[in-house]
Amino acid sequence: DTGVSQNPRHKITKRGQNVTFRCDPISEHNRLYWYRQTLGQGPEFLTYFQNEAQLEKSRLLSDRFSAERPKGSFSTLEIQRTEQGDSAMYLCASSSGGAYIQYFGAGTRLSVL
Amino acid sequence: AQKVTQAQTEISVVEKEDVTLDCVYETRDTTYYLFWYKQPPSGELVFLIRRNSFDEQNEISGRYSWNFQKSTSSFNFTITASQVVDSAVYFCALSEPYYGGSQGNLIFGKGTKLSVKP
Repeated sequence: DTGVSQNPRHKITKRGQNVTFRCDPISEHNRLYWYRQTLGQGPEFLTYFQNEAQLEKSRLLSDRFSAERPKGSFSTLEIQRTEQGDSAMYLCASSSGGAYIQYFGAGTRLSVL
Repeated sequence: AQKVTQAQTEISVVEKEDVTLDCVYETRDTTYYLFWYKQPPSGELVFLIRRNSFDEQNEISGRYSWNFQKSTSSFNFTITASQVVDSAVYFCALSEPYYGGSQGNLIFGKGTKLSVKP
């Protein structure tokens, strides 16, 4: 039984570069969430997919951020023209149906230099 | 507005002590869900418990117990006979049901860092 998988685990980039993260949810989980967590804070919601449809985006998700979930399977989160303020842990979670329980991956830690 | 407050930023105890982590929430809805997650140093959030707003029964799972009180909007978490492996950041979270327009996203508190010393 595999859990939520996120890659890469760590990413160091220079300001202005683009980065892309990948999330593989638990098989057959139709709901997928992205969160961002900064040091000393709880995770904050970024965006949500039900199958392949992106149904909600937080105001935290600026125009430089884009997310996809082609075919309702894995998801990618891309940040264009990274800024130092983008440095954070990016967490992915998935859930199924009406369970409301979200299972999280280990996250991708982004450092923007 | 929905909000989760964990007033205790850090707690330090000695092994075998009991410890209670506080969580206070705010929501306008009568139906909602409350959660506790554990985040060890590795970073992965580990699900511990889900409680819906209609079920105020306390729950016990091994050394863990949860006390849900709607009257005070609190959902506190107690670890009995703490162990070094319990050292982690613990998050309380709130979500609302899908039919109310919510997509089920979680609203987290800022977390409580628990250190259990041998």
